[in-house]
Amino acid sequence: QSVLTQPPSVSAAPGQKVTISCSVSSPYSENYFLSWYQQLPGTAPKLLVYDNHKRPLGIPDRFSGTKSGTSGTLDISGLQTGDEADYYCGAWDTSLNSWVFGGGTKVTVL
Amino acid sequence: EVHLVESGGGPVKPGGSLRLSCAASGFTFSLFTMNWVRQVPGKGLEWVSSISPRTTDRYYADSVKGRFTISRDNAKNSLFLQMDSLRAEDTAVYYCASMTGYGYGPDYWGQGTLVTVSS
Repeated sequence: QSVLTQPPSVSAAPGQKVTISCSVSSPYSENYFLSWYQQLPGTAPKLLVYDNHKRPLGIPDRFSGTKSGTSGTLDISGLQTGDEADYYCGAWDTSLNSWVFGGGTKVTVL
Repeated sequence: EVHLVESGGGPVKPGGSLRLSCAASGFTFSLFTMNWVRQVPGKGLEWVSSISPRTTDRYYADSVKGRFTISRDNAKNSLFLQMDSLRAEDTAVYYCASMTGYGYGPDYWGQGTLVTVSS
């Protein structure tokens, strides 16, 4: 059984950087390709990062993803009030044939 | 521009059935895997089901296996989720999401449709 674990919340002042971690507990974690989603209040999720570090067209480079071993991170630099949202990591688990999401992290701009 | 519009949500009694639909536009629907993802209000995201472009592969979360059926009509650019034997814990906003090539998971999402299972 794979699990993606995220911190419940992170916060920082405008202009600062926050880092959201996503820990993968699976025997196959090395094969995980993480995606990251932003969900603004009252809206549908939006893809920010895929394949651990790639950004879809139109996503600013303030959002950057990395993965090393069993852990991935999403960095949000130059934090803005409009970045206040819930952020989710996700990955396809090939052993379970299922997509799994982390529990989500609430980002607060102080 | 990819556009996904869900419909079919609403109130239903425990043990009842509901069929969700998702109308897709802005991409070649028949070429891509499609998904349903749900979210209990105020809670996190839960993947529900995926279906491959030609319906050869269908996958389900354990929580819905045997009760929900995913299907698609490529001629009508439509995705469906037949939900039977509904339970209170199935109450959630259900999102339709495409996989058009940005990695191995959902990329574009619809606005969601709320399903409320209550007596």
